Amino acid sequence: AQKVTQAQTEISVVEKEDVTLDCVYETRDTTYYLFWYKQPPSGELVFLIRRNSFDEQNEISGRYSWNFQKSTSSFNFTITASQVVDSAVYFCALSEARGTGGFKTIFGAGTRLFVKA
Amino acid sequence: DAGITQSPRYKITETGRQVTLMCHQTWSHSYMFWYRQDLGHGLRLIYYSAAADITDKGEVPDGYVVSRSKTENFPLTLESATRSQTSVYFCASSVRDSYNEQFFGPGTRLTVL
Repeated sequence: AQKVTQAQTEISVVEKEDVTLDCVYETRDTTYYLFWYKQPPSGELVFLIRRNSFDEQNEISGRYSWNFQKSTSSFNFTITASQVVDSAVYFCALSEARGTGGFKTIFGAGTRLFVKA
Repeated sequence: DAGITQSPRYKITETGRQVTLMCHQTWSHSYMFWYRQDLGHGLRLIYYSAAADITDKGEVPDGYVVSRSKTENFPLTLESATRSQTSVYFCASSVRDSYNEQFFGPGTRLTVL
């Protein structure tokens, strides 16, 4: 069964600390996509990254980095030198094809990150 | 304005009433989605549409109806609202399918009394 687990409900850090948000997924498919979205206090959801199941290369974008490990079914997100503006709820999501055609996307429950000044 | 919009942004209704949430996108994206966001559940897919006149159920479709007569619009109707449908509803669109990133609307906060 398809499942995304974000075990950390809330994380609180002080500005400039590094923080890692965990995402563990379950799927039987060999082809799937993983995503991270950010939901700041204003409420809109913003796409951060997409990674397909065949690309395990880690990615860095400024202070953000993502570590995809198929061996542990994890797609963790690290913010380096956190800032107050990073305070948000972060969602990990998994998309895979349905057996009957079409697709489905499952979101994790989200991790709320508080960054204190 | 370009993008994806939802209306109304806030709605209070009573149990048993019919409510329609509107979603409009200007990108001509093929795929559109409706999610509900509840504390502890993240986002759950209600319905999605691959193109005009093509819709399919998501994870939690019961109590909801959708239609898509035009590519740019994807209304979500609660035919007889229940308290359990109190939630924040997000509409999203995607260029092709779930393998592409989704662009989300600002959300509609619905309260059913």
